[in-house]
Amino acid sequence: QKEVEQDPGPLSVPEGAIVSLNCTYSNSAFQYFMWYRQYSRKGPELLMYTYSSGNKEDGRFTAQVDKSSKYISLFIRDSQPSDSATYLCAMRPNTGGFKTIFGAGTRLFVKA
Amino acid sequence: GAGVSQSPSNKVTEKGKDVELRCDPISGHTALYWYRQSLGQGLEFLIYFQGNSAPDKSGLPSDRFSAERTGGSVSTLTIQRTQQEDSAVYLCASSSGPLKEKLFFGSGTQLSVL
Repeated sequence: QKEVEQDPGPLSVPEGAIVSLNCTYSNSAFQYFMWYRQYSRKGPELLMYTYSSGNKEDGRFTAQVDKSSKYISLFIRDSQPSDSATYLCAMRPNTGGFKTIFGAGTRLFVKA
Repeated sequence: GAGVSQSPSNKVTEKGKDVELRCDPISGHTALYWYRQSLGQGLEFLIYFQGNSAPDKSGLPSDRFSAERTGGSVSTLTIQRTQQEDSAVYLCASSSGPLKEKLFFGSGTQLSVL
């Protein structure tokens, strides 16, 4: 079993829809939770960052962490065609090294 | 530089040949990471450098893979006797400062082993 599970999709939605992306994980030591966005032929770029549990909002993006369920989510409101990309969840523990573990990534298509 | 620079952007090689992939991190970034991304797969951790030392090499798939970092800056990932299963995008990232969790990635090297 992988440490981080993420549905690879693809996920196709109409413009303006609310998008929900999520990951589950097995390592209870994970404390830092990130979402990266990757456009085709580019490296991933950090989108959202959360420490421990809770919610964080940034514009149209909201990240949620539920440590009791080992489940994290990214919501995108009023989705735009420019949001079409692969979204990767990532996480790492607070101690014991700096290895960041990534999910497989979910491919998102937002249709105009 | 302004961002993480990787070279070459594309590399085609024959099975059995050695290849070297280069990464120039953001100036001043002390941490440097190598990841591998295969088609439809997530990022697979290979190795992490803090300065010139590599406290975590746990992700290197075999002894054909090695990496070094000199001067706390440029890093080279070397793959000896390449195999077709080594074909992937090799991504380098760097980080520093209080938000060490924020990784800045290069655009990667697409390696194709024929």
